[in-house]
Amino acid sequence: RKEVEQDPGPFNVPEGATVAFNCTYSNSASQSFFWYRQDCRKEPKLLMSVYSSGNEDGRFTAQLNRASQYISLLIRDSKLSDSATYLCVVNLRSRTGNQFYFGTGTSLTVIP
Amino acid sequence: GAGVSQSPSNKVTEKGKDVELRCDPISGHTALYWYRQSLGQGLEFLIYFQGNSAPDKSGLPSDRFSAERTGGSVSTLTIQRTQQEDSAVYLCASSLVGLAGGRGEQETQYFGPGTRLLVL
Repeated sequence: RKEVEQDPGPFNVPEGATVAFNCTYSNSASQSFFWYRQDCRKEPKLLMSVYSSGNEDGRFTAQLNRASQYISLLIRDSKLSDSATYLCVVNLRSRTGNQFYFGTGTSLTVIP
Repeated sequence: GAGVSQSPSNKVTEKGKDVELRCDPISGHTALYWYRQSLGQGLEFLIYFQGNSAPDKSGLPSDRFSAERTGGSVSTLTIQRTQQEDSAVYLCASSLVGLAGGRGEQETQYFGPGTRLLVL
């Protein structure tokens, strides 16, 4: 079983729509969670960390559900510039250090 | 300040040749990570450095792959006797802390632009 699983999509949504992605993780000891964004042929860039209490940054809201072992990302009022692949990242800290697990990404295309 | 830099940005080589990829992390970042990403695939973890030591080499796909980090800064990833299946984008990332643990910004990974390797 993969450490992190995401629906690859693609999600094709009209401008202004609200879209949500989920990501499940297998290790209940996972301790930190992130959403990264990757544009075509570019490196991943941090979108936001995901805190236990949930957090919001403008049109983006991230939630963590430890009981069900998933994190979510909600994008409101989608913009054309939101088109990208969204990567779910889970960090498991061990005695030897951090082990980051990346999902394969969810592709989003926002249509005019 | 400057971000993570990698060189070369593109590398085309012939099967069987050795290649060396370089990563310059953000100054002051103690942790450094190597990943590779094949076309349309997710990121595959290769190796992690805390300072100059590599506590986690579990992701190296074969003994043809090796990496080192000197002076707690620059890292090189070496692939010996390259094979066509080694073709991928090799991404390097760094974070402020690693082994000691941290929260939020301290453990956030910042990625370099990657090296696109093509083995013919």
